[in-house]
Amino acid sequence: QVHLVQSGAEVKKPGASVKVSCKASGYTFTTYYLHWLRQAPGQGLEWMAVINPNSGSTTYAHNFQGRVTMTRDTSTSTVYMEMSSLRSEDTAVYYCARDDLQYDSSEFREMRYFDYWGQGTLVTVSS
Amino acid sequence: DIQMTQSPSSLSASVGDRVTITCRAGQSISIYLSWYQQKPGKAPKLLIYGASSLQSGVPSRFSGSGSGTDFTLTISNLQPEDFATYYCHQSYSSRTFGQGTKVEIK
Repeated sequence: QVHLVQSGAEVKKPGASVKVSCKASGYTFTTYYLHWLRQAPGQGLEWMAVINPNSGSTTYAHNFQGRVTMTRDTSTSTVYMEMSSLRSEDTAVYYCARDDLQYDSSEFREMRYFDYWGQGTLVTVSS
Repeated sequence: DIQMTQSPSSLSASVGDRVTITCRAGQSISIYLSWYQQKPGKAPKLLIYGASSLQSGVPSRFSGSGSGTDFTLTISNLQPEDFATYYCHQSYSSRTFGQGTKVEIK
């Protein structure tokens, strides 16, 4: 069955960088896009970035362009999210999630949704 | 980005109740709407995709409806394990979420 297993909690100082991993298993890694999302304490969900594991192409949310880099290692079925210039507002639980889809023949495009999630990684930014 | 607005932000209900949560999109998103359940300290879980399609393994007391800008999630016969926070999510243009609806025990 599908599993997304993330790396452990991190504590970083403001201005530092953090790299979080997400190892996929139970399916063909290159077949499904993978995303990173985050959730600040007591807050809602925020989408950050997506990667096509087959090609390595990425798309970032406006709020994270230039500060977040998403990469993948097909040999280990792992995706990574690296965030630089950390600030206290980046304290959050970071999730990876798999993107499933259905083809919408009425609009000739793909309808996507997150079908599997990692367990989350708490990143704390504090001096 | 397409803004998603859920209502109410929280509600109190009893076991056995029928609960309805509403999600409104800032522009038409066709049926590119999914619903997630999140319990404290856990990752979100997919309930509904395509506005009304039930994810495999999700109890049939959960149902979704709507298209365009207005959507609803209904939980019939609320069970103890259903007390959680629920989020709507659109994938029509980029990816955005509603702010969440917390379902609490009355």
